[in-house]
Amino acid sequence: EVQLVQSGAEVKKPGESLKISCKGSGYSFTNYWIGWVRQMPGKGLEWMGIIYPGDSDTRYSPSFQGQVSISADKSISTAYLQWGSLKASDTAMFYCARLRDPSSSSPFGYWGQGTLVTVSS
Amino acid sequence: ETVMTQSPATLSVSPGERATLSCRASQSVSSNLAWYQQKPGQAPRLLIYGASTRATGIPPRFSGSGSGTEFTLTISSLQSEDFAVYYCQQYNIWPPYSFGQGTKLEIK
Repeated sequence: EVQLVQSGAEVKKPGESLKISCKGSGYSFTNYWIGWVRQMPGKGLEWMGIIYPGDSDTRYSPSFQGQVSISADKSISTAYLQWGSLKASDTAMFYCARLRDPSSSSPFGYWGQGTLVTVSS
Repeated sequence: ETVMTQSPATLSVSPGERATLSCRASQSVSSNLAWYQQKPGQAPRLLIYGASTRATGIPPRFSGSGSGTEFTLTISSLQSEDFAVYYCQQYNIWPPYSFGQGTKLEIK
């Protein structure tokens, strides 16, 4: 069974750094793209970026390029989403999700449970 | 960037009736279009991909149609568990694989 298990909720102050994680299991981690999706409170889904753990090929939405960093450690089947300096506007739920198929032209077939990030002074 | 536009923003339908949700792409996405369902407090769930193929475990009352720039999700005979927010997503050109803004399906 494919599972994506995300790290727990975080409460941070503006200016702090943060790295959240997403551990995949039940499949070959290196063979499927994993992406990150933001959902701000009461709002819709936003595609942030995606990584291929096999070779760390990473693509970012122009809206998020330079704002976050996506990485993966294939030795522990874990993908990461990282901020260098958080802002209050980064408060949101963040989902990791795996593409349904090995091909990059595929929807998100599997989702993590979400990580709530709250940034407040 | 391909912009996805969903309509209506909110749809009020009675249980047992049919619901029709629309999604339009700003440029052709071929049949690389997915629909997701999201219930409060839950992660989204893939319903339809390839514009018309139901994902594993999705009941046949959910159907998708369209290609190019115009797409439709139809839910025949609405059940209580179908009231949720629905998103379309194109996965033809990245980045990003953009989502629509969502349609909230509520009980009339």
